Amino acid sequence: NAGVMQNPRHLVRRRGQEARLRCSPMKGHSHVYWYRQLPEEGLKFMVYLQKENIIDESGMPKERFSAEFPKEGPSILRIQQVVRGDSAAYFCASSPGGLPAETQYFGPGTRLLVL
Amino acid sequence: DAKTTQPPSMDCAEGRAANLPCNHSTISGNEYVYWYRQIHSQGPQYIIHGLKNNETNEMASLIITEDRKSSTLILPHATLRDTAVYYCISYNAGNNRKLIWGLGTSLAVNP
Repeated sequence: NAGVMQNPRHLVRRRGQEARLRCSPMKGHSHVYWYRQLPEEGLKFMVYLQKENIIDESGMPKERFSAEFPKEGPSILRIQQVVRGDSAAYFCASSPGGLPAETQYFGPGTRLLVL
Repeated sequence: DAKTTQPPSMDCAEGRAANLPCNHSTISGNEYVYWYRQIHSQGPQYIIHGLKNNETNEMASLIITEDRKSSTLILPHATLRDTAVYYCISYNAGNNRKLIWGLGTSLAVNP
């Protein structure tokens, strides 16, 4: 059973470009989470999605950031008009959707570098 | 903000037990204690979780105090590959599904 997959693993963008980060959850998992880790900091929650629905986006910056988890295909985290402060590691996690103890399993991350 | 507090760093000799403490004095009655680790900026790796009882799996043991205000993660025979940052998190998916991360404990296993 393959784990959570993320691609690309490394992404370099110039200021003003768009970044698209993809996440394929573990088989059988219908819940996806995105976290961001700035250098030398802990992870910060960004958004929680189920298929075709955004459940909690309280950690997402109000502008330039969006996320989706379509019926078919991977979840996408999209950052428009990137700035240097967006340089970070972005981690995706997935879970099967049970309650109340439900483990989130993480992918290897995408390292975004904005020049 | 994280609801748990951990020492910023610890050392352990290879082959010895590593005991990593965590304080969660404000934990809610329905929140579990979860442990993850992150090896050199890789994706966080799930280790173990528990509610009230002590738990053990192939990776580690989790000891939770009776009042649930603190816990200890035990790596019984630490190896160099256990060098990582260890995070203790209180969480209940029924409350909300955000994992709130602190800065964790940086464990160095020395030869």
